[in-house]
Amino acid sequence: QKEVEQNSGPLSVPEGAIASLNCTYSDRVSQSFFWYRQYSGKSPELIMSIYSNGDKEDGRFTAQLNKASQYVSLLIRDSQPSDSATYLCAVNVAGNQFYFGTGTSLTVIP
Amino acid sequence: DGGITQSPKYLFRKEGQNVTLSCEQNLNHDAMYWYRQDPGQGLRLIYYSQIVNDFQKGDIAEGYSVSREKKESFPLTVTSAQKNPTAFYLCATRPFRGASGNTIYFGEGSWLTVV
Repeated sequence: QKEVEQNSGPLSVPEGAIASLNCTYSDRVSQSFFWYRQYSGKSPELIMSIYSNGDKEDGRFTAQLNKASQYVSLLIRDSQPSDSATYLCAVNVAGNQFYFGTGTSLTVIP
Repeated sequence: DGGITQSPKYLFRKEGQNVTLSCEQNLNHDAMYWYRQDPGQGLRLIYYSQIVNDFQKGDIAEGYSVSREKKESFPLTVTSAQKNPTAFYLCATRPFRGASGNTIYFGEGSWLTVV
């Protein structure tokens, strides 16, 4: 079983809608969770980090963490065409290891 | 201008050649990482280093070598032993200290193509 799993998509939403991206992880001692956005041909850029159960909001982005279910999600409100990218979920287990999912491709249709 | 600088951005390698990818950072971050990304795949860890003169193998270290002679620099050499080196290579750093100590940040990446 992979450490971090994401639905590869593609996920398409109309402009202005809410995009919901999901991620599950296998290691119960995972401590830190991250969402990165990666445009085609570019490097990943950090969008959100979350460390404790519940919701964390930053502008149009909300990360949700449920450690009991080993589940982390990212909601993008009022989706814009510029949000079209691949979104990578990353998990930091205690120590130096970071595990990345394969990413979910999001397309926002104008 | 601060950040993580990778060079070159594009590199072509002939079969049997070694090539070195540069990664320099002026963020004073302690840890540095090298990842490889293939199309449609996630990031796979090649090597990482927490401190100067020390580094650890990641999941796919075979055919690669690194050095960490100074805090700011973590070059990656792709040797001829790496049979399928064509990929996007990402250098990353991690501060370890402070509120964002667990976060890793990426350079702009280097595209390596074998010709």
